[in-house]
Amino acid sequence: AQRVTQPEKLLSVFKGAPVELKCNYSYSGSPELFWYVQYSRQRLQLLLRHISRESIKGFTADLNKGETSFHLKKPFAQEEDSAMYYCALNYGGATNKLIFGTGTLLAVQP
Amino acid sequence: NAGVTQTPKFQVLKTGQSMTLQCAQDMNHEYMSWYRQDPGMGLRLIHYSVGAGITDQGEVPNGYNVSRSTTEDFPLRLLSAAPSQTSVYFCASSYSSTEAFFGQGTRLTVV
Repeated sequence: AQRVTQPEKLLSVFKGAPVELKCNYSYSGSPELFWYVQYSRQRLQLLLRHISRESIKGFTADLNKGETSFHLKKPFAQEEDSAMYYCALNYGGATNKLIFGTGTLLAVQP
Repeated sequence: NAGVTQTPKFQVLKTGQSMTLQCAQDMNHEYMSWYRQDPGMGLRLIHYSVGAGITDQGEVPNGYNVSRSTTEDFPLRLLSAAPSQTSVYFCASSYSSTEAFFGQGTRLTVV
């Protein structure tokens, strides 16, 4: 069965430090992975799709099929990056049925 | 452009009561879905729809009904509320396997 694991509930870093939010998945098909972010008092929104291979707000994520991972990285954290981050796997193909990890709260200290 | 709108934002129900959570989107998206979020867990899929008149079950469908009579609306019905249904509910819409747009959530408490 498909599964998404985010091992850290909380990641606390200082401003300017590198950030890596971990995500591992289990899926028998070809994975389609996303990172969603929820800032305080805002709705959940898309941050990255692995297919697009782009950098958003300085964040990047690379799909590693060998390690079944899709870690989110940023070289220099900013205070405004503080939010809840969810890794998600689309297991429904075109129907976009998502399975989410439990989320990691990123707290960037000044 | 409102995106995905959920009503109400907050609701308290007594055990056994029924109610409908409303979800509407104005982006002409084919796909709509309902998730619930519980403490310490990721969002879990309750029901989804691939178009008007077509719905199917997700991971945790028991105790919930849905219908999709129009492209815009996808209401979630709780038939007989139970304390285990206390949760935050999110509606989402998308066009194919692209970005999912989420509503602001409905916080439901069943006492």
